[in-house]
Amino acid sequence: NAGVTQTPKFRILKIGQSMTLQCTQDMNHNYMYWYRQDPGMGLKLIYYSVGAGITDKGEVPNGYNVSRSTTEDFPLRLELAAPSQTSVYFCASSYSGGNNEQYFGPGTRLTVT
Amino acid sequence: QQQVKQSPQSLIVQKGGISIINCAYENTAFDYFPWYQQFPGKGPALLIAIRPDVSEKKEGRFTISFNKSAKQFSLHIMDSQPGDSATYFCAASLQTGANNLFFGTGTRLTVIP
Repeated sequence: NAGVTQTPKFRILKIGQSMTLQCTQDMNHNYMYWYRQDPGMGLKLIYYSVGAGITDKGEVPNGYNVSRSTTEDFPLRLELAAPSQTSVYFCASSYSGGNNEQYFGPGTRLTVT
Repeated sequence: QQQVKQSPQSLIVQKGGISIINCAYENTAFDYFPWYQQFPGKGPALLIAIRPDVSEKKEGRFTISFNKSAKQFSLHIMDSQPGDSATYFCAASLQTGANNLFFGTGTRLTVIP
């Protein structure tokens, strides 16, 4: 199993551009999550999904959108990129909710200039 | 608002020493407290976790101590090794629901040979 994979690894965007961060998991997990990690701030939840077709907001959803058309994929869309969205983005998945372990991808480092 | 407070921000320990990282939370509904370990350029990975019905959990050199009345928990790394050098995050979540994790701000541990 590849686990959770994310593409791209790095990206530089200009202010106002849009992009999609890709996330795929091959563990047949129902739950998927997007976090952003900023220095000294830990990880903050952006959006999550409890199954295909179901998504919900986390702590910091503004400026982002998600979709979940399949169990495997959970892309994160940035519209009108802003410098405040410069961060490292992690996708994670877990088999179910409750106290199940979350498995993280390797991250995407995004810079908006 | 930081739901889980973590200290210290950074920690330097000699090889063979004990590393101690502390976390505190406010929401008494939290009932799952994992610790994640993150190496540079990688996503976080679950290290050890505890539920509030026990006061201590040990796995090898890693021990979580939990004080429910004080709403505090800590990670102890015994016989610290250079390979333990990483960033450690405490987190908390609710057993019910989508397993959304609230992370501390992280502690960068450096173990000196």
